[in-house]
Amino acid sequence: SQQGEEDPQALSIQEGENATMNCSYKTSINNLQWYRQNSGRGLVHLILIRSNEREKHSGRLRVTLDTSKKSSSLLITASRAADTASYFCATDAIHQQKLVFGTGTRLLVSP
Amino acid sequence: DAGVIQSPRHEVTEMGQEVTLRCKPISGHNSLFWYRQTMMRGLELLIYFNNNVPIDDSGMPEDRFSAKMPNASFSTLKIQPSEPRDSAVYFCASSLTPHGQGENIQYFGAGTRLSVL
Repeated sequence: SQQGEEDPQALSIQEGENATMNCSYKTSINNLQWYRQNSGRGLVHLILIRSNEREKHSGRLRVTLDTSKKSSSLLITASRAADTASYFCATDAIHQQKLVFGTGTRLLVSP
Repeated sequence: DAGVIQSPRHEVTEMGQEVTLRCKPISGHNSLFWYRQTMMRGLELLIYFNNNVPIDDSGMPEDRFSAKMPNASFSTLKIQPSEPRDSAVYFCASSLTPHGQGENIQYFGAGTRLSVL
């Protein structure tokens, strides 16, 4: 399978704590994206990092990318109960239009 | 824009029946993707279109599945005959696919939850 792997599969934290999720992939990529999925909803794009970038920030989100290790991490700082969702990484291989999604991390943030 | 619109939101049918799922992509987007999501297999790409032309249908599980995109604003995914193992959430997504190595951000519909009894 070309699917990326994410860990942990599930993460449970308290409000205010930071949450870190990791993603590993298999092929050379153009970009890596992170998506969020609330229960019963479609996926929503959060942030994109290009293959020539190492770190990117957007609000409380921080994404890192290590192409030598074919891995990425998503850090959510000062988490809120509303951050409870599943988070997926997605990669697009060079000259490919389609995205390959990871297996997802289920995040539970308790008040 | 209303985003990607899928219908129906829920579908319950009996084994052997034909099921048609519908998708209206975001206006101006030139790529459309059909996905299936299950607990066991996660999110799987079934097929995608670029400028209404099917580009990659390698994810379509069997001949029972077919997809069409007759114009830029409408696509269907059909299952005939349906089986209980087809029960899943089916998502449609669209994007404005750039030429070369640009960004490929996909916008998802709310999904159709299919239950085949």
